[in-house]
Amino acid sequence: EAGVAQSPRYKIIEKRQSVAFWCNPISGHATLYWYQQILGQGPKLLIQFQNNGVVDDSQLPKDRFSAERLKGVDSTLKIQPAKLEDSAVYLCASSIRDNSYNEQFFGPGTRLTVL
Amino acid sequence: ILNVEQSPQSLHVQEGDSTNFTCSFPSSNFYALHWYRWETAKSPEALFVMTLNGDEKKKGRISATLNTKEGYSYLYIKGSQPEDSATYLCAFFSNAGKSTFGDGTTLTVKP
Repeated sequence: EAGVAQSPRYKIIEKRQSVAFWCNPISGHATLYWYQQILGQGPKLLIQFQNNGVVDDSQLPKDRFSAERLKGVDSTLKIQPAKLEDSAVYLCASSIRDNSYNEQFFGPGTRLTVL
Repeated sequence: ILNVEQSPQSLHVQEGDSTNFTCSFPSSNFYALHWYRWETAKSPEALFVMTLNGDEKKKGRISATLNTKEGYSYLYIKGSQPEDSATYLCAFFSNAGKSTFGDGTTLTVKP
């Protein structure tokens, strides 16, 4: 079974530039999560999708971050414009359904550095 | 904001030592607790999903217990090996549909 795929693995940009990350979840997984993990901290949920609908985006900085999950499969997360404090690892995860009784499967993450 | 705390923040042990970590979470509105292991340069990997007070789960040398009434979970590693070196994360899920990860315990096992 293929795991969660993410790209790119690394990205370096300057502040005020834009960046986009891509995630392909495990086939058949209805729920997709985007997390931001700042060094020394635990992953923080940015947005959770159930199929192509948003379940929770309460911690997504909507003035600069956006995410979509077209057709309930792949997802993209965009930052526009980036700030220095956006430097972090962005993790995508998926689970078979959204009831928190199911483990999440994580991708390798994208390490973003904003200069 | 849900307060989830993990202790200790880091731990250095010798190969063969047994160790344990703590995850503290709100004792109200409990729905589930997950434990994940995150090795350097790899993806976080699920260890346990715990849902009932008194749950005890085991996978090889790693086990976990859950006390929802007092709001804590313990993760035990028996006879630590260098390959156990990783950051161990817990994630608390409330019945209001919110979740929070702790900041993790980083374990280093020296040969």
